[in-house]
Amino acid sequence: AQSVTQPDARVTVSEGASLQLRCKYSYFGTPYLFWYVQYPRQGLQLLLKYYPGDPVVQGVNGFEAEFSKSNSSFHLRKASVHWSDWAVYFCAVSSSNTNKVVFGTGTRLQVLP
Amino acid sequence: GPKVLQIPSHQIIDMGQMVTLNCDPVSNHLYFYWYKQILGQQMEFLVNFYNGKVMEKSKLFKDQFSVERPDGSYFTLKIQPTALEDSAVYFCAIEDSSYEQYFGPGTRLTVL
Repeated sequence: AQSVTQPDARVTVSEGASLQLRCKYSYFGTPYLFWYVQYPRQGLQLLLKYYPGDPVVQGVNGFEAEFSKSNSSFHLRKASVHWSDWAVYFCAVSSSNTNKVVFGTGTRLQVLP
Repeated sequence: GPKVLQIPSHQIIDMGQMVTLNCDPVSNHLYFYWYKQILGQQMEFLVNFYNGKVMEKSKLFKDQFSVERPDGSYFTLKIQPTALEDSAVYFCAIEDSSYEQYFGPGTRLTVL
């Protein structure tokens, strides 16, 4: 079955520093991978998505992620974090076999001034 | 992306009562989803619904749950009867032809 692991429940970085949020996945079929952001009291917003192709995908607000089949990873990166990035980030996977999206447990990003 | 409305943002009901959560996709889509998020935890898939039928459901989608799109506009999740463990935020999502899902802001259900 598909599954997603986000090993870091909480990450704290200083504003302007670089960021990496980790995500490991397992799947059947062709994987589709997503990163979503959830701001307080809001629904999820899609940051970026991966469909089979270029392993590095660009998203909104300077985020990018890299698909690695060998490591079963889809880590999210940003070169310079802004205070407005303070939110919870969810990695998710679906596949060509199912429309169901499976979410990770989320990583809470805290940005220090 | 497509807008998804969920009204109201918060519902408070007594245990054992029935509740209906509404999702208005604004534009016309065929694929609908409900997700449940207990406070501070991950979002978990409940059910998806395509062309008037339930396609997949998780073990969280208990017998007390049902979904329908009665008049072709609102997509509803009904819980009857409700239990304390049903307290959560319920997110509706629609899916477009490129497999992207767009989420509503959620309805917080509090069962007393």
